[in-house]
Amino acid sequence: QVQLQQSGPGLVKPSQTLSLTCAISGDSVSSNSAAWNWIRQSPSRGLEWLGRTYYRSQWYNDYAESVKSRITINPDTSKNQFSLQLNSVTPEDTAVYFCGRYRDGHIDYWGQGTLVTVSS
Amino acid sequence: DIVMTQSPLSLPVTPGEPASISCRSSQSLLYSNGYNYLDWYLQKPGQSPQVLIYLASNRASGVPDRFSGSGSGTDFTLKISRVEAEDVGVYYCMQAVETPLTFGQGTRLEIK
Repeated sequence: QVQLQQSGPGLVKPSQTLSLTCAISGDSVSSNSAAWNWIRQSPSRGLEWLGRTYYRSQWYNDYAESVKSRITINPDTSKNQFSLQLNSVTPEDTAVYFCGRYRDGHIDYWGQGTLVTVSS
Repeated sequence: DIVMTQSPLSLPVTPGEPASISCRSSQSLLYSNGYNYLDWYLQKPGQSPQVLIYLASNRASGVPDRFSGSGSGTDFTLKISRVEAEDVGVYYCMQAVETPLTFGQGTRLEIK
């Protein structure tokens, strides 16, 4: 059974960096058949895909254009996890952030969600 | 980006009655391998979304058979044959034929 456990602060100051981690159990971040995603949800924007990392003989990343200049998603093979960094946050980045495993055409496992509030 | 449009946005249903949700995409979701990359998710109150249907018509593991998905190209439907109280929540369609993955606005199902 795959489990994704999210961790990270729930409050970030404007202009600072939002950092979240998603620890994987029951699968490997280096899997050749999965992709590891970050998605956020807010009342104003609904569910919004932010980006993904995946391994197919080498590491790849894809990012949403809306955050491409500010986002980094990194795998950590030593800890079997992946992370999200979003720089220069504003109150518009306030949302519930989810990690998720994409495989066989769908996101089959989701993290528990982390409410991140951007406020001074 | 592919725009996903759901209807209705609100769906009051009497228990035991059927329900249907429509999802339309701004581009075809049919990939060259013959699969339509359209999923349906249910987000129950206070929970993360959970997959119900993937690749348009495949029921995910553990999903009751009263849920079914159909459609191809740009028009898709989720049907619940007999709604139960536990089906309350917000239903989303999502396309995965290309990045960015995009979601519909959500359909809130409530029990009458």
